[in-house]
Amino acid sequence: NAGVMQNPRHLVRRRGQEARLRCSPMKGHSHVYWYRQLPEEGLKFMVYLQKENIIDESGMPKERFSAEFPKEGPSILRIQQVVRGDSAAYFCASSPRSDYNEQFFGPGTRLTVL
Amino acid sequence: GEDVEQSLFLSVREGDSSVINCTYTDSSSTYLYWYKQEPGAGLQLLTYIFSNMDMKQDQRLTVLLNKKDKHLSLRIADTQTGDSAIYFCAEVGGFTGGGNKLTFGTGTQLKVEL
Repeated sequence: NAGVMQNPRHLVRRRGQEARLRCSPMKGHSHVYWYRQLPEEGLKFMVYLQKENIIDESGMPKERFSAEFPKEGPSILRIQQVVRGDSAAYFCASSPRSDYNEQFFGPGTRLTVL
Repeated sequence: GEDVEQSLFLSVREGDSSVINCTYTDSSSTYLYWYKQEPGAGLQLLTYIFSNMDMKQDQRLTVLLNKKDKHLSLRIADTQTGDSAIYFCAEVGGFTGGGNKLTFGTGTQLKVEL
């Protein structure tokens, strides 16, 4: 049973480009969380999605960031017009239902903005 | 608001016990977690404790919870070099749509010396 998969593992973008980060949850999991880890900091919640729905995006920056979790395919975190401050590790986690007390984390995507 | 604090660094000798401390502020948290992060990797759930428990033991790991002081600790017995990593405590802060948003501490870097 494959775990949570994220790709790419490393992504380099120049300022002003777009970054697309993908997360495939564990089989049977329909709930996805995205977290961001800035250098030397802990993880901060960004957004919580269920299939085709954004449930809570209270941690998402108001501009340039968006997330989706379509009926088919992985969850996508999209960052438009990246800036150096977006450089971070982005982790997704999945769970089988909303009240499940464990989240399973992927290996993360490390975004570097030049 | 939610805030989780940890000391940043701990150094121990191999074979000694390690104690990593954490304070949190959200008294409504139902679960509290300890995660381990090795360099360049994602988060691995080590253990968790339900808020109505004072202690939980799992092999070399002992978790103590003091709800009155909102203090959580992780004790690692017979610490090995493979335990060198960053350790995060986390609490669950649910939200109106369901789901279990995690609030992480800043992380404690454990260094095990020979």
